[in-house]
Amino acid sequence: AQSVAQPEDQVNVAEGNPLTVKCTYSVSGNPYLFWYVQYPNRGLQFLLKYITGDNLVKGSYGFEAEFNKSQTSFHLKKPSALVSDSALYFCAVRDIGSYGQNFVFGPGTRLSVLP
Amino acid sequence: DGGITQSPKYLFRKEGQNVTLSCEQNLNHDAMYWYRQDPGQGLRLIYYSQIVNDFQKGDIAEGYSVSREKKESFPLTVTSAQKNPTAFYLCASRLSANSPLHFGNGTRLTVT
Repeated sequence: AQSVAQPEDQVNVAEGNPLTVKCTYSVSGNPYLFWYVQYPNRGLQFLLKYITGDNLVKGSYGFEAEFNKSQTSFHLKKPSALVSDSALYFCAVRDIGSYGQNFVFGPGTRLSVLP
Repeated sequence: DGGITQSPKYLFRKEGQNVTLSCEQNLNHDAMYWYRQDPGQGLRLIYYSQIVNDFQKGDIAEGYSVSREKKESFPLTVTSAQKNPTAFYLCASRLSANSPLHFGNGTRLTVT
């Protein structure tokens, strides 16, 4: 069965510092990996995805993520955090070897960027 | 602008009543999904539909029902059989197999 873990419920970082939000996954086949961000009382917004190719994926708003197959990880990074980055972040996986209809989401990590 | 519209934004119902949440998209996406979000649990899949007149149960379908009579619309009914219906409900759609999900802004349902 597919699963996604986000080991940190909360990440605090000072504005201007680099940030990392961690994600590890478990799938039976090759993974399609996604990061989403959610602001209060809103839906999820897509940030970036890994399907194949380069292990470093660049996405929206200056975010990037590094795919590491041996560690089954897909950590979200940003070189310099902004206060406006404060939100709830979700990692998700879709097993492309499956029927392909279910995205499995992690529990979310709340990011707080302190001014 | 294309997108997914969920209505209403907030919904209040008495226990024992069925309630229907609306989801409309003008993205011309074939696949549509309903997720439930509870604090600290991420998103859990209720139902999904790949094409009109076809839908499949997700992980937590008990107490819910859906229909897909039109490509644009995928309403979710929360029935009185759902034991703990109070939650934030998110509708999503997807263009193709490699595409990310596009989400609506959700409906917050409170049942008392």
